[in-house]
Amino acid sequence: DAGVIQSPRHEVTEMGQEVTLRCKPISGHNSLFWYRQTMMRGLELLIYFNNNVPIDDSGMPEDRFSAKMPNASFSTLKIQPSEPRDSAVYFCASSPTLLAANTGELFFGEGSRLTVL
Amino acid sequence: AQSVTQLGSHVSVSEGALVLLRCNYSSSVPPYLFWYVQYPNQGLQLLLKYTTGATLVKGINGFEAEFKKSETSFHLTKPSAHMSDAAEYFCAVSGFQGAQKLVFGQGTRLTINP
Repeated sequence: DAGVIQSPRHEVTEMGQEVTLRCKPISGHNSLFWYRQTMMRGLELLIYFNNNVPIDDSGMPEDRFSAKMPNASFSTLKIQPSEPRDSAVYFCASSPTLLAANTGELFFGEGSRLTVL
Repeated sequence: AQSVTQLGSHVSVSEGALVLLRCNYSSSVPPYLFWYVQYPNQGLQLLLKYTTGATLVKGINGFEAEFKKSETSFHLTKPSAHMSDAAEYFCAVSGFQGAQKLVFGQGTRLTINP
């Protein structure tokens, strides 16, 4: 079975450019999470969706970040304009339900490593 | 609100030695506790979890953890380390109801010496 699929795996861009990260959750999973991992701050939850609806975006660092989930099989995280401090590994994770996520049934993709020069 | 503190960002043990990774938590509600493992260039995967019931929980690859409410701890152990255990380990906590999100610790990088 396919797991959570993220693209691109690596992205190098210049400051000021728009970056779009993509995620395909596991089929049948109703909850989707975007995390950011950095050496300084560890793993941070940016936003999560339930049934394609954003539930909590309080972790989104600023207005330059936006996330959408137009359907159950696709989500995007966009940074515009990008800055060097956005360099991090961005993980997408999905879960059958929010309750399942709370009990550890959280399935992570392999991450998108973003470098902003 | 919940929080997690992992003591030691790096732990190094010899192959065959005991592995002990420390985790303390803070939670305003009865906690659900987790250990996740991240191998290089991969996402996190669930190693084991405590929700209710038995306080000693066993996970994959011979790992186990014990929930100690009086000490607010959930330390991860393995009796004998293997080279393949080298990875980063994350302790996490969540609440037991509602849409409370997992809160992760900063992670502990485990190195195994031959």
